[in-house]
Order: sequence, then structure tokens, then C-alpha cells
Amino acid sequence: QVQLVESGGGVVQPGNSLRLSCAASGFIFRTSPMHWVRQAPGKGLEWVAFIDSHGFEKFLADSVQGRFIISRDNSMNKVSLQMNSLRVEDTAVYFCAREVAVLDVWGQGTTVTVSS
Amino acid sequence: DIQMTQSPSTLAASVGDRVTITCRASQSISNWLAWYQQKPGKAPKFLIYKTSTLQTEVPSRFSGSGSGTEFSLTISSLQPDDFATYYCQQYDTYPWTFGQGTKLEVK
Repeated sequence: QVQLVESGGGVVQPGNSLRLSCAASGFIFRTSPMHWVRQAPGKGLEWVAFIDSHGFEKFLADSVQGRFIISRDNSMNKVSLQMNSLRVEDTAVYFCAREVAVLDVWGQGTTVTVSS
Repeated sequence: DIQMTQSPSTLAASVGDRVTITCRASQSISNWLAWYQQKPGKAPKFLIYKTSTLQTEVPSRFSGSGSGTEFSLTISSLQPDDFATYYCQQYDTYPWTFGQGTKLEVK
């Protein structure tokens, strides 16, 4: 079945880096644009990043522009989010999601905590 | 950025009730609006796209309507499984943006 599994979350200090990964299975990954969405504790959903199916076109939210990098490896069916210069306000559950017009399939999320 | 504003933030209702959640965009998004349902500790679940098209397997008691800047999600007869938080999301323009959510709780 169609599945997305995130990994790489953890506890980091402000200013440090973390790399999240999302492994896809059950569909033709190389044809699917992908997104990252996050949810701070007790808060709503915040769109973070987009990458097209080829990895050429990318968009990032203003809140992470210049700090986060989205990438993908179609040979490995994986999308990644490199998070640099992390801030306390980046603390959240990070979800990857497939785009078929909208975000039709989501992973279960991985938790990132930025704290000193 | 396009701001999405949902109302109400919280809605108390009973099984069998008809409920409507509204979503307003700060500028026209045509009909590029989706709705998601999220339960505590779970990933969001996609319900509706293009304002009113239900994802397969979504019960027909759910419906969406609107265009431009005003949209709504209606549940015609609430079922116990429907108590959750609902989010609207525009996908007309990057950055994609979500409403702040509407928590549907048991009265």
C-alpha cells in the first residue's frame, strides 16, 4: 500500500542541524511532487517545503528560507529535509506528504525538539 | 502570502447534528481549496479537494462549497468518528497556507 515513513527527528540545541528523511513505498515516487508540513505542539499545520518530481523546482516557507534545504533521491524513493541553524520555534512534528493535486498521503511524522 | 481564516475555532455539537465550518481566504484562490481532518496524535487525512470533490472513501455526509474567498465544509449528520480538528488549505499560490483549524467537539 502507499506509505510514507519519516525518520531523523530528535532533540537538538539551537543553532545545530538535523536531517529528516521520508521513505516512500507503494507508488511511483519519481512522478510525485513531495512536501513537508510541520505542526508545533498544540498548534495548527504549517506548510514548510515543496519539491517537484524531478527535484528541479523547490519552494520553502519564509520562516525556513535560507536555513532548510529540501532534496530528493528518486533512485532511493526518498525525500529529505536538511534543517540548519535550528531555532526553538522549529520544534514540531514534521510530516512528509505526497502531492496528487493536494496532500493526499501523509507519513506519521517525526518529532523535532530544539532546546538548550 | 494568502491568509486562511477559519471559523469557528471550536464547535460543540451532538451526534446527528448538521454542522458547517467556514474558511475565508485573504484573496481569491478560485476553487483551489482542500479540507483535512486530523485526530489527536495522527497525521491529517485528506477529505476534499478543489473545494467540493470528495476523496474516495469519504462519506457523503461531508460536502464542500464556495469559490473565490469564501468556502465551507458541511457535515450533514455528525457521526461519532467525525469529532476531530478540521483544516482548510489553499493551493492556489505558494506558500501553501492552512487555516488555523476548527476543533469539533462533543456537546
